[in-house]
Amino acid sequence: EVQLVESGGGLVQPGGSLKLSCVASEFTFSNYGMNWIRQAPGKGLEWVVYISSGSSYIYYAETVKGRFTISRDNANNALYLHMTSLRSEDTALYYCARHVDSGYFDYWGQGVMVTVSS
Amino acid sequence: DIQMTQSPASLSASLGETVSIECLASEDISNDLAWYQRKSGKSPQLLMYAASRLEDGVPSRFSGSGSVTRYSLKISGMQPEDEADYFCQQSYKYPPTFGGGTKLELK
Repeated sequence: EVQLVESGGGLVQPGGSLKLSCVASEFTFSNYGMNWIRQAPGKGLEWVVYISSGSSYIYYAETVKGRFTISRDNANNALYLHMTSLRSEDTALYYCARHVDSGYFDYWGQGVMVTVSS
Repeated sequence: DIQMTQSPASLSASLGETVSIECLASEDISNDLAWYQRKSGKSPQLLMYAASRLEDGVPSRFSGSGSVTRYSLKISGMQPEDEADYFCQQSYKYPPTFGGGTKLELK
């Protein structure tokens, strides 16, 4: 069974930084694009960023462009999200999700909580 | 960005009842629509894609329909395990966008 396990969340002050990780198993990680998707408390899901299988293509939501950086390590089946200049509005449950070519997300992790607060 | 308006925000259904959830896109998304189910404390699960194609392993009581801007998810015979949050998502244009979600409860 495909597994995606996120880690690295926590409480951070506004303006601070945090790095999320997502470790994949039970599929050939290097064959798939990956995404980060988040859900703020009381809000809907918001797509954050996509990275292609070989890291050649990366697309960010306007709300995080210039502040967040996605990367991946195919040798270790890992996906990362480096978040800087964090704002209160970045407070959310962050999911990593596997990308299907047609633009859907067929497997998701359980999510990791990021809270930006002083 | 394409806006996805999902309704209702919450819904309560009896065992065996047929339930319908709708998503309205702000422009034509040409059937590039997915539905997800998220049970309490669990990861979201892809139920349906291309508006009406059932993902492997999803019970046949789930069905999807629609075209252009209006899409719906139907559950034909509510079961206890269907109690969950449901989300629609368009993949027609970047960025992918989601509906606000529907909380479905068993009455």
